[in-house]
Amino acid sequence: QQQVKQSPQSLIVQKGGIPIINCAYENTAFDYFPWYQQFPGKGPALLIAIRPDVSEKKEGRFTISFNKSAKQFSLHIMDSQPGDSATYFCAAVKGGATNKLIFGTGTLLAVQP
Amino acid sequence: DAGVIQSPRHEVTEMGQEVTLRCKPISGHNSLFWYRQTMMRGLELLIYFNNNVPIDDSGMPEDRFSAKMPNASFSTLKIQPSEPRDSAVYFCASTFGLARGDTQYFGPGTRLTVL
Repeated sequence: QQQVKQSPQSLIVQKGGIPIINCAYENTAFDYFPWYQQFPGKGPALLIAIRPDVSEKKEGRFTISFNKSAKQFSLHIMDSQPGDSATYFCAAVKGGATNKLIFGTGTLLAVQP
Repeated sequence: DAGVIQSPRHEVTEMGQEVTLRCKPISGHNSLFWYRQTMMRGLELLIYFNNNVPIDDSGMPEDRFSAKMPNASFSTLKIQPSEPRDSAVYFCASTFGLARGDTQYFGPGTRLTVL
């Protein structure tokens, strides 16, 4: 059973567009939600993360929106660029000293020039 | 820092052979994770270590898989015997600690193909 559900599986936007990637979870024990970015042939790299006590976090052009009651969170990429083309993974971590990442299935984003 | 180092980057082997993947974590990091990535199952955590001790190996698929961390700067993931369904990209990641805010830094991965 997929503990973190991610959609869409793939996404194509034009340069300057705002792609939105959505994730949902069931386990209320999750209390840390990072997003990872992966380029072809590379390992995933942390992009941005949020804790459930805030509803939004921005870092540069990347924004996480978090809806605790709905158990959903999403990544928005403002003014997307072709260099943002990558696979994006949401993840969740349970409270406690584990740092055990549960990944979503990934979204392949293509930003067309 | 050179980041997490994995070797080999590519491995092609035949079914039944033993495969050993290697990882050198970032210096000073005390936690190490092994992941497997496939199209079908995505990114899965196999096992992780803290201070060289295995903490959770519930993701290891079966007894054919084993992992060791003999010291703070080296870990291995071994598959014996290998099977075609083990074909995947295997990532190693390290982090300073086990607090949930501690960033995991991933290596470049080892692409394993079992014929």
